[in-house]
Amino acid sequence: EAGVTQFPSHSVIEKGQTVTLRCDPISGHDNLYWYRRVMGKEIKFLLHFVKESKQDESGMPNNRFLAERTGGTYSTLKVQPAELEDSGVYFCASSQVPSGSWSYNEQFFGPGTRLTVL
Amino acid sequence: KNQVEQSPQSLIILEGKNCTLQCNYTVSPFSNLRWYKQDTGRGPVSLTIMTFSENTKSNGRYTATLDADTKQSSLHITASQLSDSASYICVVSTGGFKTIFGAGTRLFVKA
Repeated sequence: EAGVTQFPSHSVIEKGQTVTLRCDPISGHDNLYWYRRVMGKEIKFLLHFVKESKQDESGMPNNRFLAERTGGTYSTLKVQPAELEDSGVYFCASSQVPSGSWSYNEQFFGPGTRLTVL
Repeated sequence: KNQVEQSPQSLIILEGKNCTLQCNYTVSPFSNLRWYKQDTGRGPVSLTIMTFSENTKSNGRYTATLDADTKQSSLHITASQLSDSASYICVVSTGGFKTIFGAGTRLFVKA
């Protein structure tokens, strides 16, 4: 079974440009999450999709970030325009909660996209 | 404020030795606590997951403990191997899907 995949693995852009990150979750996983780790800090939650709907986007830093999940399959995270402080590693994770058990919500992570804004 | 603190920040041990990593949390409400291993350049991989009622769980040479009263967890690695060199991240979930990550402990296993 394929795991969570992310594209690209690395992206280097200039301040003010636009970048779009893509995440393909494990097939059949309704839940998809975006996280970010900036240099030297812990991983932080950005948002959570259940199928195509945004369940929680409380972690999105500002309106320069736009996440979509068309058709409830893959997701994209667009940063427009990018700023220096957006540099970091963006992780995507997916999960399928076992029926009747929210406590064992195991999330499977992708390898991340390393974004560098110059 | 929901927080997860890990110690030590980094650790160097010799191959074959045991080690214990610590995680203290102030997260409410508590749903579960997970330990992840993250190799360089890769995403975190789940090692153990424990709910409120569980106080120990093993996965091979990894054993996690949880004291929900003191809000502390530990990850014990037995007979370390070079491949154990990685970051170990403690993650606490509140009800539902909210997750709070610790900053991780960077473990270096030397031959």
